[in-house]
Amino acid sequence: EPEVTQTPSHQVTQMGQEVILRCVPISNHLYFYWYRQILGQKVEFLVSFYNNEISEKSEIFDDQFSVERPDGSNFTLKIRSTKLEDSAMYFCASRPPRGSGGTPYEQYFGPGTRLTVT
Amino acid sequence: DAKTTQPTSMDCAEGRAANLPCNHSTISGNEYVYWYRQIHSQGPQYIIHGLKNNETNEMASLIITEDRKSSTLILPHATLRDTAVYYCIVRVANSNSGYALNFGKGTSLLVTP
Repeated sequence: EPEVTQTPSHQVTQMGQEVILRCVPISNHLYFYWYRQILGQKVEFLVSFYNNEISEKSEIFDDQFSVERPDGSNFTLKIRSTKLEDSAMYFCASRPPRGSGGTPYEQYFGPGTRLTVT
Repeated sequence: DAKTTQPTSMDCAEGRAANLPCNHSTISGNEYVYWYRQIHSQGPQYIIHGLKNNETNEMASLIITEDRKSSTLILPHATLRDTAVYYCIVRVANSNSGYALNFGKGTSLLVTP
């Protein structure tokens, strides 16, 4: 069964450094998402992406964050200058195109990247 | 979106049915009820969704009350692997948004041997 993959599984970085988290969505999916979960807290939406542009973003997704689909398979989240409070599990998700069955909120999540900022 | 209320935690014996309730008393006519779960340290997993009618798939059943103010997710024969946090999410089916999922705190289900 196809699945969303994410790399690396764990990233340790120093405060102020840039990090790029990578995701490979399911191949025929066209809608992509990033969520994060700080340890012990709820899963929070960051951004959704469709047709090479952001379709929705939360208040968390400020100028320090950016997303990109650099090629036909990867979807990346960049944090320009990491802060201690960026330490969290970051989940990528994708969903199939409309008309392929399923609903817009039936999203498929990857296993996550644990980001530790020291 | 309508607010949802779920119990913080529940226990269930292995092999028995797990019935997880969710209150969404302010739900509007065009809002669906979605259920996801998150097994420890993994990404959330879609389970099922419904509008008015009861729904069943290979993972679970969803029972929605006639007034749609509450619903129950049923895992008919819970196994240890069903131990997870279960999230009830209410969202409008069609919108101009990016279809973000708004996870609350969910119900932590512990299935015991």
